[in-house]
Amino acid sequence: DQQVKQNSPSLSVQEGRISILNCDYTNSMFDYFLWYKKYPAEGPTFLISISSIKDKNEDGRFTVFLNKSAKHLSLHIVPSQPGDSAVYFCAADSGAGSYQLTFGKGTKLSVIP
Amino acid sequence: DAGITQSPRHKVTETGTPVTLRCHQTENHRYMYWYRQDPGHGLRLIHYSYGVKDTDKGEVSDGYSVSRSKTEDFLLTLESATSSQTSVYFCAISEFGGQGEQYFGPGTRLTVT
Repeated sequence: DQQVKQNSPSLSVQEGRISILNCDYTNSMFDYFLWYKKYPAEGPTFLISISSIKDKNEDGRFTVFLNKSAKHLSLHIVPSQPGDSAVYFCAADSGAGSYQLTFGKGTKLSVIP
Repeated sequence: DAGITQSPRHKVTETGTPVTLRCHQTENHRYMYWYRQDPGHGLRLIHYSYGVKDTDKGEVSDGYSVSRSKTEDFLLTLESATSSQTSVYFCAISEFGGQGEQYFGPGTRLTVT
């Protein structure tokens, strides 16, 4: 049973517009969430995270929103740039003692010039 | 970038042969992880380590073993490789375990023929 779900395998956005990547989770024990970006033939790189005590975290062009009641988070990229084209993974952590991240299957973002 | 290297970067082997993948870090992080990435599955945890000689199983540990005799090295062994273990393998490190970001190596592409 998949605990972290990214239901959109792919997304295409025009350069300069907003990209919104979505992630849903089922495990109510998750209390820390992360987004990773992955280019082909490279390892994933950490992008941004959010704790369950917050509903928003912003870092430059990247903002993550968390809706705990809906068990939903989203990553907004504004403005989108061609270099943002990559696979984006959502991950969740159930806190102290877990040691593990649970990843979604990823969403491939294509930013069209 | 975190100092993580993986070796080899590419390997082709035959079914039934043993294979060992190496992860080496220069960050002195306590936690180390092995993941595999397959199309349609995202990143799945194989094994992880929370200290020297301290390891535990992840989601997809069958057919894999690990060892960690030094802080900087984490080895993943396929005792008898099968075609289902053809995948891209990523090592990751983390300073704090739970609630902390993981930093990934460049990956090893393993093909079992």
